[in-house]
Amino acid sequence: QKEVEQNSGPLSVPEGAIASLNCTYSDRGSQSFFWYRQYSGKSPELIMFIYSNGDKEDGRFTAQLNKASQYVSLLIRDSQPSDSATYLCAVGNNNNDMRFGAGTRLTVKP
Amino acid sequence: EADIYQTPRYLVIGTGKKITLECSQTMGHDKMYWYQQDPGMELHLIHYSYGVNSTEKGDLSSESTVSRIRTEHFPLTLESARPSHTSQYLCASKFETQYFGPGTRLLVL
Repeated sequence: QKEVEQNSGPLSVPEGAIASLNCTYSDRGSQSFFWYRQYSGKSPELIMFIYSNGDKEDGRFTAQLNKASQYVSLLIRDSQPSDSATYLCAVGNNNNDMRFGAGTRLTVKP
Repeated sequence: EADIYQTPRYLVIGTGKKITLECSQTMGHDKMYWYQQDPGMELHLIHYSYGVNSTEKGDLSSESTVSRIRTEHFPLTLESARPSHTSQYLCASKFETQYFGPGTRLLVL
């Protein structure tokens, strides 16, 4: 079992819809959770982080964390074609190391 | 916003050549990482460092080596490049989260 699991996709949503990206992790001691966006041919860039159970909103992005279920998600509201990218989930453990998921490829169709 | 620099951005080189990929950061971060990533594929951690004179191998077996003589500098060296080394190499440094450099695209002929 991988430490961080993501559905590889591709996930396709129409423009203006909500895109929902999911991630599960195996280490119950994980403390910090991150979402990165990676455009094709570019390096990953941080878009959200969350440390506590519940929701955290930043513009059109909402990160949701449920530590009991070992589950973290990213919602993108009013999806735009410019949101088309691969989204990487990353999890930080007690040793302050980070593990990345394989990424989910999102396509937003005009 | 992190300042991480990688050079060269693109490199085409022949088999058997020795190459060094440079990575520098100006934030004073102790932790630095090298990842290998093929197009459309996941990140693979190949080396990391927790500070000066600290280097460790990552999850993916790699024929490369690294050094960490200064906090800001974390170069990766391939003693003898092979076509199987063709990939994108990403450097990152960490304070609370990882910040990535722009990457080096390597093509070994």
